[in-house]
Amino acid sequence: GENVEQHPSTLSVQEGDSAVIKCTYSDSASNYFPWYKQELGKRPQLIIDIRSNVGEKKDQRIAVTLNKTAKHFSLHITETQPEDSAVYFCAASKGGGADGLTFGKGTHLIIQP
Amino acid sequence: ETGVTQTPRHLVMGMTNKKSLKCEQHLGHNAMYWYKQSAKKPLELMFVYSLEERVENNSVPSRFSPECPNSSHLFLHLHTLQPEDSALYLCASSQEPSGEHEQFFGPGTRLTVL
Repeated sequence: GENVEQHPSTLSVQEGDSAVIKCTYSDSASNYFPWYKQELGKRPQLIIDIRSNVGEKKDQRIAVTLNKTAKHFSLHITETQPEDSAVYFCAASKGGGADGLTFGKGTHLIIQP
Repeated sequence: ETGVTQTPRHLVMGMTNKKSLKCEQHLGHNAMYWYKQSAKKPLELMFVYSLEERVENNSVPSRFSPECPNSSHLFLHLHTLQPEDSALYLCASSQEPSGEHEQFFGPGTRLTVL
């Protein structure tokens, strides 16, 4: 089955700086890669996703890049703000079938004031 | 509350107890999921239901028994659990069961097994 590795497990950055979280996946058939954000004590929520026919996608201060050949994808957050502090999960799916999502272990992003 | 709701929010039970977790979605979705979230581990998919039929069971121990009486409700029946089953149990729903639809999560049930 699919295996998703996520790094780093904890990331501390100064407010205003950029943050990058990286994930690798094992199943070359995976074609859908969402990112979820989970604030302390709250439920995970989708923040951005990318499909395998696209190399990059942006939404305001967040962007995701995908390298299918290397089987890795990354989340980029620019101009970080205190409200960006949360745990971020990457995930991978083959789509189509009812196989759900395989999640990474999560990255705890800490924004230092 | 709209979206996906779960009850109870907190549950403490002994290893010999039987309890049930409830999930309800108000989004008109066709697929519902149970996930287990433990510290330092990724979200683990336990069960997937599509239109009330189970389509995925990721080798979950039989002490966890799901039930989906209709497309809006999902239960997780618990019996003779172990302390290592203590975790946050999250329910989610999506429009279709394929992994490429956004999943909407409930607030979770924090389970402690003594």
